[in-house]
Amino acid sequence: GDSVTQMEGPVTLSEEAFLTINCTYTATGYPSLFWYVQYPGEGLQLLLKATKADDKGSNKGFEATYRKETTSFHLEKGSVQVSDSAVYFCALSDQGGADGLTFGKGTHLIIQP
Amino acid sequence: DGGITQSPKYLFRKEGQNVTLSCEQNLNHDAMYWYRQDPGQGLRLIYYSQIVNDFQKGDIAEGYSVSREKKESFPLTVTSAQKNPTAFYLCASSPSLGRPEAFFGQGTRLTVV
Repeated sequence: GDSVTQMEGPVTLSEEAFLTINCTYTATGYPSLFWYVQYPGEGLQLLLKATKADDKGSNKGFEATYRKETTSFHLEKGSVQVSDSAVYFCALSDQGGADGLTFGKGTHLIIQP
Repeated sequence: DGGITQSPKYLFRKEGQNVTLSCEQNLNHDAMYWYRQDPGQGLRLIYYSQIVNDFQKGDIAEGYSVSREKKESFPLTVTSAQKNPTAFYLCASSPSLGRPEAFFGQGTRLTVV
């Protein structure tokens, strides 16, 4: 079955540091890939997405590139802020989304001033 | 504003009682989903529905039930058969098959007392 593996946290960085959160996936089909962000006590917000190989999703300074050859979708940001502190989830949707999303376990990011 | 509304935000249940969590969307989305979130385990799919009057079991449906009588509503009942119901429950919707990006509500935290 489908699965998503993320680097475990917490990940602690200083403000203005470079961020990478690794995500790799296993899927039977040709999935769409997503990054979601969750702030404490809230639901998930869609951060970015990519639907085919070599697509780059981007939003709010975050980027991720769909790498089919390495089955990866790593999240990056050049300069993080304290307000980026949250839990980040990598997810995939296979078969056009007929049966929901498959999520990784989440990576807790802590940015220190 | 369009969105997904979950209620209540916090819910307490005595052991042996059934409880129903509400989820309403005004996005005119076809598909709706219920996920359960436990610390360190990411999100797991409970039930999903692609169309009114039809729904499918997800990965952890035992002890839960749903209905989809209206396009905008997808309530989840946590029954007394669910042995470990304390968790954060998230409702989501997506536009249609082929457009799998999901939009989430703010969640309901259920605690068994």
